[in-house]
Parts: sequence; structure tokens; C-alpha cells
Amino acid sequence: DIVMTQSPLSLPVTPGEPASISCRSSQSLLNSNGYNSLSWYLQKPGQSPQLLIYLGSNRASGVPDRFSGSGSGTDFTLKISSVEAEDVGVYYCMQGLQAPITFGQGTRLEIK
Amino acid sequence: EVQLVESGGDLVQPGGSLRLSCAASGFTFSSSWMYWVRQAPGKGLEWVAYIRHGGTEKYYVDSVKGRFTISRDDAKNSVYLEMNSLRAEDTAVYFCARGQDSAFYNWGQGTLVTVSS
Repeated sequence: DIVMTQSPLSLPVTPGEPASISCRSSQSLLNSNGYNSLSWYLQKPGQSPQLLIYLGSNRASGVPDRFSGSGSGTDFTLKISSVEAEDVGVYYCMQGLQAPITFGQGTRLEIK
Repeated sequence: EVQLVESGGDLVQPGGSLRLSCAASGFTFSSSWMYWVRQAPGKGLEWVAYIRHGGTEKYYVDSVKGRFTISRDDAKNSVYLEMNSLRAEDTAVYFCARGQDSAFYNWGQGTLVTVSS
């Protein structure tokens, strides 16, 4: 199984400041088409998860451009250029390369 | 607009059975891979099962193999999760999701399954 490891697990951020979350996989997520099968999700309090980034760096429809994804192989990063109050919640990375599909532990972003 | 609506969650005794349903709309269901993901109270996300379009390929997390069965009815735009021999550790909110580009593009609101005596 591919193990996904996120850091940090807790992220207090001042509004307007940038934030960054790391996600590492135990093996490469590069698929046969040359894309990384890595996605990012935000689960706001009391809500279902929502897709932010797919294939490592593609923003999902409707996702603000302050969110960006980068990385390749086994190391990935989600960046928020300027955190807003509505960004609070738990962020998860997920590998969709092979079953079993696995998630990171989650990173809880809170506003200072 | 894509909509996924789960139903069927309930309180069930250990060893019992339950069938979850997910009604889909707003996209071409028959050509979509569909997934079930669960979240135990206060915990993270855990993928449970998927079914390929056409229903020819199914896959399960080890902890539910032999107990859970995923199926789909393209005529009803629905995906199901038949859960047998339920255990306390199966207690969770169960989400269905639509897959694309190795990601879960859309999620339902979830349905709560509680396994307790």
C-alpha cells in the first residue's frame, strides 16, 4: 500500500499570510501518462470534502487561484498564497494511482 | 449541476447488515467510476470501495473484503454498498464520490452508519 504522510498536522495562520502543506508518498505517483495521481481536498467544518487540486497541480473548477499545487514523484505541496477566514478546515492529500487509494492524515488549518 | 445523494444509514447491531444507496445526477453516470469513502467520528478519510463504469471491475479496502459489496444500476443512476457482518469499527459517515483524473471530483453529503448494541 502507498503511505501518504502530511506535515504539519496543525497549521495556525494569520489572515493574509501564506500557508504551505507538504505531502509525501511512499512511492512515486507518476502514472503511465506522465501525470501525478495526487489530489488535494478541503473538508470545511460540518461539510463533505471538496476537491481543490487534481493531477498534482490542476485547480478544480471554482477553486480560487490563491490555491496552488506543485511537486512530482513523491513530494508534493499545497500552497495558499494569502489565507482567508473561509479556508479553515482539514486538508487532505490523496493518491489515486493504485488501489487501495490512500489519504494523508489531514492537516488542520486554523486562523490565529 | 452534479448531485450525489446518499441514503440508507442507520443504527445497526454488530453482525447486522445495511444497504447504502447513492443517487447521482448532473453527469453521465454510466461512464463514471464511482467510489465509497468513509470517515469515522473525529477521524480522517478512508477509501472503502470503487466500481468501474460497466461494473466489470470492483476493488475494496482489505478491512471490508468479503463483507461489503459495491454495485451499480446505470438505469437508475445509482451506486450501492451492501454491508454485512458489520462491526463497531465500521461506524462512520459514508460518502459516495465520482471519480475522474485519479481524483474524487464530487462528493455527496454522507450518510451515518452506527454499529452498536
